Amino acid sequence: ETGVTQTPRHLVMGMTNKKSLKCEQHLGHNAMYWYKQSAKKPLELMFVYSLEERVENNSVPSRFSPECPNSSHLFLHLHTLQPEDSALYLCASSQDLVGLEGNSPLHFGNGTRLTVT
Amino acid sequence: QKEVEQDPGPLSVPEGAIVSLNCTYSNSAFQYFMWYRQYSRKGPELLMYTYSSGNKEDGRFTAQVDKSSKYISLFIRDSQPSDSATYLCASGPYNFNKFYFGSGTKLNVKP
Repeated sequence: ETGVTQTPRHLVMGMTNKKSLKCEQHLGHNAMYWYKQSAKKPLELMFVYSLEERVENNSVPSRFSPECPNSSHLFLHLHTLQPEDSALYLCASSQDLVGLEGNSPLHFGNGTRLTVT
Repeated sequence: QKEVEQDPGPLSVPEGAIVSLNCTYSNSAFQYFMWYRQYSRKGPELLMYTYSSGNKEDGRFTAQVDKSSKYISLFIRDSQPSDSATYLCASGPYNFNKFYFGSGTKLNVKP
């Protein structure tokens, strides 16, 4: 079992649909993240949560809505998406935002491949 | 200018070759550096991380940071076909987990 599990692996949705992506981490980490990965582009940070509180919202359109009910689970709720939102959505976790030695490395899940038609 | 720049490749080498992967970053406040490997249809997997200049070695992998030139390198010795993947570099300031990623270099190691 991987440390960070994402479901579903693939999702196809129409522009009027509502769906949710789920992420669960089994590493005992306190910080969780959503990243967007598009072809030939750098990973884009979308949201950061630390101890279930949102600490970063990187100018993400409101059609993306995160939820962090506890430190092990993270959701990304999707509604009225656009075709340009098609991408790989990656969840990551880290021990803390800042550890004893400074930053904590990120551990990623395998992502949800989202296609918006 | 992007915060972290990386040549997209692809880079194709024969098995056993020494591979050099490189990134540059723009912000001298960046103190933390990571390398990830990403296989097709998988998430990025952490290879190495460091927050100092100089070399850090782990098996066949060596990460090198030169803060004076804002240059990050990953060397792979005795490359194997299983090393074929996309390699991502990332960097960010100390004391906050906001990292900037390169767009990745695709590596192909031919048997």
